[in-house]
Amino acid sequence: GQQLNQSPQSMFIQEGEDVSMNCTSSSIFNTWLWYKQDPGEGPVLLIALYKAGELTSNGRLTAQFGITRKDSFLNISASIPSDVGIYFCAGLLYNNNDMRFGAGTRLTVKP
Amino acid sequence: DTAVSQTPKYLVTQMGNDKSIKCEQNLGHDTMYWYKQDSKKFLKIMFSYNNKELIINETVPNRFSPKSPDKAHLNLHINSLELGDSAVYFCASQYQDSRGELFFGEGSRLTVL
Repeated sequence: GQQLNQSPQSMFIQEGEDVSMNCTSSSIFNTWLWYKQDPGEGPVLLIALYKAGELTSNGRLTAQFGITRKDSFLNISASIPSDVGIYFCAGLLYNNNDMRFGAGTRLTVKP
Repeated sequence: DTAVSQTPKYLVTQMGNDKSIKCEQNLGHDTMYWYKQDSKKFLKIMFSYNNKELIINETVPNRFSPKSPDKAHLNLHINSLELGDSAVYFCASQYQDSRGELFFGEGSRLTVL
């Protein structure tokens, strides 16, 4: 199946810092998504991207769908303690219910 | 009201036993999934059902059998449990055309002793 390479694997940052994580693949996807998982919960959708080059914001979060359709990044500005969690990228082929997830980026924010 | 609900939330059982996890969604979605999350937090798709029909069946041992009595329910039955089956199992649902916008349940943590 299609592999998504997500990095970094983990990040330890100070409250107020900006965060950047990305996802790459050897396959072309028509949809890129970013999810966040809090401890003991299921993943929750943060941002969905549907067109190559698309840049979308959701509050302090900004994500982009790479021009090549093989990558995406997520930025979090001015991090706060509740940003702690695991962030997953996910890719979806067109007309396909089979969504693949990256391995996740575990974010720790120190107050 | 919980949108996607799974039961039980925790399940501890002995190797060789048979167990089931139930999932219900009240969102009116027509596609449902089971994902397995291992100890390293990697999420792997197991099954996908669309309007009670099996769409995706990844290389999952045939000890795992999904059952969808109607489009709001997707249950997972596991026979002859093995140690490696220990994981968190997530149910999820979406509208067929929503392009990846999944709603996940809270997960069912299965521990096989």
